[in-house]
Amino acid sequence: EIVMTQTPLSLSVTPGQPASISCKSSQSLLHSDGDTYFYWYLQRPGQPPQLLIFEASNRFSGVPDRFSGSGSGTDFTLKISRVEAEDVGVYYCMQSLQLPPTFGQGTKVEIK
Amino acid sequence: QVQLVESGGGVVQPGGSLRLSCAASGFTFNAYGMHWVRQAPGKGLEWVAVISKEGDKKYHADSVKGRFTISRDTSKNTLYLQLNSLRPEDTAVYYCAKGLRHLEKWGQGTLVTVSS
Repeated sequence: EIVMTQTPLSLSVTPGQPASISCKSSQSLLHSDGDTYFYWYLQRPGQPPQLLIFEASNRFSGVPDRFSGSGSGTDFTLKISRVEAEDVGVYYCMQSLQLPPTFGQGTKVEIK
Repeated sequence: QVQLVESGGGVVQPGGSLRLSCAASGFTFNAYGMHWVRQAPGKGLEWVAVISKEGDKKYHADSVKGRFTISRDTSKNTLYLQLNSLRPEDTAVYYCAKGLRHLEKWGQGTLVTVSS
């Protein structure tokens, strides 16, 4: 199975400052159809995960534009341009190129 | 709006069975593949199973293969997960999620506790 490795595992950020999370996959997530089957999710405390970014760099409906995704192949990054209090939670990367879909370990983001 | 509401969780003894349900509304249920994903207390996300929109293709994680079965009833707009031969390590919140490639909407989850 494809292994997803996130760094860092925790992050403490001052409101208004940027934040960045990295995710690396054990093999390329580029499909023969040209899409990259890589996603970012945020799980706020006590809530289910919600989709932030799909296909590496596309913001899902309703996601604020302070969130951006980049990367290709095996290396991906989620950036928050200016962290707000509501951004606290655990961020997960996920691949669905191959079964089983696999998630990163999660990165816990807290506000200083 | 899209809603997914899980039910059927509870406390069960090791070796027991449960059937989880996920009632879907606000979208054309038979146009989407559906997943089950679980989260043990204080842990990360673990994929459990997926079913195609037609219901003819089903895949399960190795950790549950032969014990859990995913299914769907289009007439009831409902996704199911049959859990048999439960083990303490199956204790988790079980989420259903809409979408085949990207899990674009998740339910609130239902807690399954396996304990004697």
